[in-house]
Amino acid sequence: AQKITQTQPGMFVQEKEAVTLDCTYDTSDPSYGLFWYKQPSSGEMIFLIYQGSYDQQNATEGRYSLNFQKARKSANLVISASQLGDSAMYFCAMREAYNFNKFYFGSGTKLNVKP
Amino acid sequence: NAGVTQTPKFQVLKTGQSMTLQCAQDMNHNSMYWYRQDPGMGLRLIYYSASEGTTDKGEVPNGYNVSRLNKREFSLRLESAAPSQTSVYFCASISRENEQFFGPGTRLTVL
Repeated sequence: AQKITQTQPGMFVQEKEAVTLDCTYDTSDPSYGLFWYKQPSSGEMIFLIYQGSYDQQNATEGRYSLNFQKARKSANLVISASQLGDSAMYFCAMREAYNFNKFYFGSGTKLNVKP
Repeated sequence: NAGVTQTPKFQVLKTGQSMTLQCAQDMNHNSMYWYRQDPGMGLRLIYYSASEGTTDKGEVPNGYNVSRLNKREFSLRLESAAPSQTSVYFCASISRENEQFFGPGTRLTVL
């Protein structure tokens, strides 16, 4: 089974609007971490946000927030007030506590921000 | 503070040739990683190193070897390159606060 599933290959959003990128995960480990990364067309990978499975509150970093719904095993990324520079690929990833160095990545969502 | 550096940025090999990808980080991180990214896909973990002197296989280790030379450096070696190893390779390290830092990537083509 896929550890990380991103069902939206591509999305469009109007500049200044909010957008939600979906991510669901599969694990039986009660302790795990969820990550989001941005990959612009230039190719570098940029860490955005982290959520631990025991964190009580949803993680936020500036315009990025992680909508963590544990029972549904979803960890959606919300980008508020989209900017043209947000156009990029976005990857969701997970690692499990039993082997916290093994990262699993989803296939990504390509976000296009329209002016 | 350079973060994570990788060399080379680009490389073309012929089938059967060998090469080593170099990676170094200056953030005093314990854990380091090698990933590959194929077109249209996410990253897949090749090998990782939890600390100096230790290495472990990730999801796709076949055809690769690694060395954690010291805390700073983690190299990836292809002993006999194959066209299936054409990919973009990323090295990364991670902080205690779970922020993973990536190198700029190496674009490898095997003919």
